[in-house]
Amino acid sequence: DQQVKQNSPSLSVQEGRISILNCDYTNSMFDYFLWYKKYPAEGPTFLISISSIKDKNEDGRFTVFLNKSAKHLSLHIVPSQPGDSAVYFCAASPPLSNAGNMLTFGGGTRLMVKP
Amino acid sequence: DTAVSQTPKYLVTQMGNDKSIKCEQNLGHDTMYWYKQDSKKFLKIMFSYNNKELIINETVPNRFSPKSPDKAHLNLHINSLELGDSAVYFCASSQDRWTKNTGELFFGEGSRLTVL
Repeated sequence: DQQVKQNSPSLSVQEGRISILNCDYTNSMFDYFLWYKKYPAEGPTFLISISSIKDKNEDGRFTVFLNKSAKHLSLHIVPSQPGDSAVYFCAASPPLSNAGNMLTFGGGTRLMVKP
Repeated sequence: DTAVSQTPKYLVTQMGNDKSIKCEQNLGHDTMYWYKQDSKKFLKIMFSYNNKELIINETVPNRFSPKSPDKAHLNLHINSLELGDSAVYFCASSQDRWTKNTGELFFGEGSRLTVL
């Protein structure tokens, strides 16, 4: 039972245009959401995050939007650059417990930005 | 200078063998994790250790045994390997188990295990 889903396995965008990556979750206990970026043969690296008390967080070309009622978040990259080509993982975290920060990841979306 | 390093990066072995994957972090973090990326590309947590103490064990078969000799190392030993164990295993670390700041999980490069 996947609690975090990324329904688009891949996305192709022209350089300079906007990339929109989507993520849906089912567990209403999640209160913190993150996006990780992964290049081939490397581990995921943190990109941007958002707390459930916010609906938008922006960092340079990257903006994450959260719609709690729809249990949906999206990552916008504008303008997209060829170096953004990677797999993007959405992750969600429940409130902290003694068990630590247990992230649940989606299956990833492969973004290809064409020059 | 790699923050979280795993060895080996690639491992090919026969069913029934025992193998280990090592992980080291030089970030001074207290908490370390093992994640498994399966064939469907989902990253799923397996274990979490805080300062050498096991705090998460997510329904992983007993054939998997993590060992943490100190808080900078978390090794994964797998007994009697099965075909379904083929996956990429990622080690990660975080400052501690109570921090929920941005980007708190730092991942290693992954170890691709292939069981034949």
